[in-house]
Amino acid sequence: AQTVTQSQPEMSVQEAETVTLSCTYDTSESDYYLFWYKQPPSRQMILVIRQEAYKQQNATENRFSVNFQKAAKSFSLKISDSQLGDAAMYFCAYSGQAGTALIFGKGTTLSVSS
Amino acid sequence: GAGVSQSPSNKVTEKGKDVELRCDPISGHTALYWYRQSLGQGLEFLIYFQGNSAPDKSGLPSDRFSAERTGGSVSTLTIQRTQQEDSAVYLCASSLRLRGEAQYFGPGTRLTVL
Repeated sequence: AQTVTQSQPEMSVQEAETVTLSCTYDTSESDYYLFWYKQPPSRQMILVIRQEAYKQQNATENRFSVNFQKAAKSFSLKISDSQLGDAAMYFCAYSGQAGTALIFGKGTTLSVSS
Repeated sequence: GAGVSQSPSNKVTEKGKDVELRCDPISGHTALYWYRQSLGQGLEFLIYFQGNSAPDKSGLPSDRFSAERTGGSVSTLTIQRTQQEDSAVYLCASSLRLRGEAQYFGPGTRLTVL
């Protein structure tokens, strides 16, 4: 069975600084998709970024980028120029071949200070 | 366009009562998913629907849980004879196609069973 591990329960960053959130996963599949979702206190899960495993190029969305290391099964999220609005819980998620349900990590709570 | 909507936003019920949670997916999205988010268990998949196909119920925790999707659109998650351990946030998500597409989440329903 596939698993997703986020080893950092909490992280903190200063405004305008850069922070990296870690995610590792375990799978025997070769074709899959990885996601980062943000969940602010409002509870709404918001898609941050999506990565297709067969694509070598790391996905980017404005200040958000990933470092996808397929061989190492690592999928970290880098947030540049952090803003107060980035404070939230961040979830790493996996979607594989057989099922369509997302498998989530336990999440990382990010706090941003001014 | 409008995002995924869920109702009610919050629901407080007494142990043993039945509850119904509603989800309106994004228009045109054929896939619909239910997840449960609780402190102890994180985010768990419950059930998904794809068009008019038979749903994947593999994540439902007990036979007290059921869901239906009418007309390929609105979905209702029903929990019968609620127990205190059912207290959680129930999240609905929808996506355009089945595999690999990003899932877009609603704001969730917080269920509290007294």
